[in-house]
Amino acid sequence: DQQVKQNSPSLSVQEGRISILNCDYTNSMFDYFLWYKKYPAEGPTFLISISSIKDKNEDGRFTVFLNKSAKHLSLHIVPSQPGDSAVYFCAARGDFGNEKLTFGTGTRLTIIP
Amino acid sequence: NAGVTQTPKFQVLKTGQSMTLQCAQDMNHNSMYWYRQDPGMGLRLIYYSASEGTTDKGEVPNGYNVSRLNKREFSLRLESAAPSQTSVYFCASSFRTSGSDTQYFGPGTRLTVL
Repeated sequence: DQQVKQNSPSLSVQEGRISILNCDYTNSMFDYFLWYKKYPAEGPTFLISISSIKDKNEDGRFTVFLNKSAKHLSLHIVPSQPGDSAVYFCAARGDFGNEKLTFGTGTRLTIIP
Repeated sequence: NAGVTQTPKFQVLKTGQSMTLQCAQDMNHNSMYWYRQDPGMGLRLIYYSASEGTTDKGEVPNGYNVSRLNKREFSLRLESAAPSQTSVYFCASSFRTSGSDTQYFGPGTRLTVL
């Protein structure tokens, strides 16, 4: 039972345009969401996060939006740069008693120069 | 400051062989984790250690054992490797077990079981 889903395995975006990566979840007890970025042959690195009490969090070119009613979050990258080409994982944290992360399956983003 | 290191980077085993994956962190973190990454499955938690001296099962613990040797080191052992354990294994660490704490990942170990 995949509680965190990234339905797009891959996404290609022109350099300079906006990249939008999507993530859906099924567990309403998730209260904190994160995005990790992974380059080939490296471990994932933390990118940005959002608490369930917010609907938006911004950090430079990266913005994460959370729609709790739809159980949906998205990562916007503006403008997209070639160095953004990587696999992006969304992850969700459960509430007290189950605070480990549940990861999605990942979306491979390719930025076309 | 190396962060999280893992050895070996690559390993090929035959079915039934055993091996230990090593992980060490130099960030004075309390919590450490072992994940596996499989195509189409994302990262799945195998075992974790909230603090030195404690270990707990994650989502997919069967076929694995772990040891939290000290605060720095957390090893993962496959006693009798099976082809289903072919995967990329990542070790991670964080200050606390709470998922809101940033986890720092090692570079991974690519394991193939024939």
